[in-house]
Amino acid sequence: GQQLNQSPQSMFIQEGEDVSMNCTSSSIFNTWLWYKQDPGEGPVLLIALYKAGELTSNGRLTAQFGITRKDSFLNISASIPSDVGIYFCAGLFYGGSQGNLIFGKGTKLSVKP
Amino acid sequence: KAGVTQTPRYLIKTRGQQVTLSCSPISGHRSVSWYQQTPGQGLQFLFEYFSETQRNKGNFPGRFSGRQFSNSRSEMNVSTLELGDSALYLCASSLGGLALNEQFFGPGTRLTVL
Repeated sequence: GQQLNQSPQSMFIQEGEDVSMNCTSSSIFNTWLWYKQDPGEGPVLLIALYKAGELTSNGRLTAQFGITRKDSFLNISASIPSDVGIYFCAGLFYGGSQGNLIFGKGTKLSVKP
Repeated sequence: KAGVTQTPRYLIKTRGQQVTLSCSPISGHRSVSWYQQTPGQGLQFLFEYFSETQRNKGNFPGRFSGRQFSNSRSEMNVSTLELGDSALYLCASSLGGLALNEQFFGPGTRLTVL
C-alpha cells in the first residue's frame, strides 16, 4: 500500500535558523497536507497543496507539491521557540470513489534559544 | 464558538469487548474525520463522514466502523477489541472536508485495552 517516508525524524536547531523537511513516496498523491502537533494537543493543519508544482506560504512556512506528485517539502524560515513540535506530512489519494489519507511518521523539531 | 468535543476522554476496556466513541463537531461543520494515534504507528486516518455519508476511508479492518447523524455528530465503533487498539482516537471537523478547509481537532479519547 501507499507509504510516506518523512525525513528527518528529528531536528535540533538554533533559534533563527531555517528548517527543511520532506516527504517522499513511490505513489502519486492528489493533495499534500502539512500539520503541526504540540504535546498534548491535536494536530493543526498548516498548509494544503492541491496541484503539482504548487508553492504555498503561510507566514514563515513555505511548502511545495512536488512536480512528480510523489513528494512534498516544508520549509520554516527564521525558526523561533514556538516552532517546537512534531510536523506531519499527509498525502491524500483517490482510488475509486473514496480517498485515503496517509501520514508520514513525523519530524520532531527542537529549537535551542 | 464551542470547539470539537469528544466523549469519553478516557476509556478502559478488555479484549473482545466493543466500544463506541462520540465526536461533536463545531456548529455548522459537516465533515467529521477520525484518526488513530499510537507511538508505534503514528497518526493513521480511519474515515471521514460528510453529510451522513462516508466519503473517504483508511486502511483499517471492518471492526472499525462509523456513522454520522443528521446533526453532524459522529460516532466510531470498534468491535472485538484487540490489545493493539489501545490508542488516542482523534476526531476533526471542518466545513467542507479533509483538505478543503481548516480542520479543527478535538482533544481525543484515550482508549486502553487490557
